Amino acid sequence: EAGVAQSPRYKIIEKRQSVAFWCNPISGHATLYWYQQILGQGPKLLIQFQNNGVVDDSQLPKDRFSAERLKGVDSTLKIQPAKLEDSAVYLCASSSARQGKGNEQFFGPGTRLTVL
Amino acid sequence: QQQVKQSPQSLIVQKGGISIINCAYENTAFDYFPWYQQFPGKGPALLIAIRPDVSEKKEGRFTISFNKSAKQFSLHIMDSQPGDSATYFCAASLYTGGFKTIFGAGTRLFVKA
Repeated sequence: EAGVAQSPRYKIIEKRQSVAFWCNPISGHATLYWYQQILGQGPKLLIQFQNNGVVDDSQLPKDRFSAERLKGVDSTLKIQPAKLEDSAVYLCASSSARQGKGNEQFFGPGTRLTVL
Repeated sequence: QQQVKQSPQSLIVQKGGISIINCAYENTAFDYFPWYQQFPGKGPALLIAIRPDVSEKKEGRFTISFNKSAKQFSLHIMDSQPGDSATYFCAASLYTGGFKTIFGAGTRLFVKA
């Protein structure tokens, strides 16, 4: 089966500009996650969707970050305006809602964002 | 209470040796403990996982040891190979209306040929 797809793979922007990332999860996976991975750290959850509803967005900086999941499939994560500290890799992951499989997350390759 | 503490930050092992990475958690509600492997430029990939009702799980050269009373778990890589050189993340997961996973800070493993 095809894996989690993300685009773009790399993005360089100036601070205060806006940027958007796209994710296409594994077909049939009900749960979609966006993580921020700062260099040298583990992934930190930003937002979690179950189908097209938000399950957890407690760590999403809502003054500048927003995310949506269109029709319970693809998702976009937007940053507006970007700050220097947003430089990181943004990872998308998905998991199945099937019993016993919900914990297993499959990650995309990530988008490396550099804010200058 | 939601933290997962991982050590060491980096590890150098000779080819054929044993690599050991340790993690500790606080929240006893966690009920799934996966280890992820990440190569440069790639997303993390699930390597092996354990639930707290067993003390050990082995898959090939990879073994998780789990100590529920100490709230600690570790990854052992036997017969380490240069191809194992990567960053390893432990994690802990619990269900709160959806599965929430907390990752450790990661261990960079380098296996010398």
